[in-house]
Amino acid sequence: NAGVTQTPKFQVLKTGQSMTLQCAQDMNHEYMSWYRQDPGMGLRLIHYSVGAGITDQGEVPNGYNVSRSTTEDFPLRLLSAAPSQTSVYFCASPERGTYEQYFGPGTRLTVT
Amino acid sequence: GESVGLHLPTLSVQEGDNSIINCAYSNSASDYFIWYKQESGKGPQFIIDIRSNMDKRQGQRVTVLLNKTVKHLSLQIAATQPGDSAVYFCAENTGNQFYFGTGTSLTVIP
Repeated sequence: NAGVTQTPKFQVLKTGQSMTLQCAQDMNHEYMSWYRQDPGMGLRLIHYSVGAGITDQGEVPNGYNVSRSTTEDFPLRLLSAAPSQTSVYFCASPERGTYEQYFGPGTRLTVT
Repeated sequence: GESVGLHLPTLSVQEGDNSIINCAYSNSASDYFIWYKQESGKGPQFIIDIRSNMDKRQGQRVTVLLNKTVKHLSLQIAATQPGDSAVYFCAENTGNQFYFGTGTSLTVIP
């Protein structure tokens, strides 16, 4: 049981490049979510999913796409990276029936 | 939008003393509140939670207090230890969304 895993750990992109941040959980959780963490801003919800095939927007969805084709995976796509997307990204997933979220180790993304 | 804020961005306490970290929230419809601890370079880690129909909940060395009248949440850590040094976040849940505060950095002085 690996919990919530994220790849890559670090990434540097040039403005306009695209990439996908991977998130996977092996706990059969229904709810999964993506946050970004910026200095002095706390964590802000980007997108979330309450189950396979269902996604919804959070506080700061612009510039990001998600899909949820399986229960285990919830990738986050940046179609055209911008310097404003430089941040640390966390994937999180709570136990069924609870709000106790398990966070992944994070992906530190720098866009130049 | 939601507003979850902390009164103090930094807090320093002597080892063995009790720590109190405060948080204000603005949405009276929030039904669930959580405290997280985040150590440097790691993801947030769940500490304790409380539902809106409660005003106090205790865990191991931690207590969360909820005052719905003034929309205030606090985390009390008893006998603070060096391993408690971290950033602490409060979060509130409304529907399917979680809103986080900006965090308080706790430093424990040996």
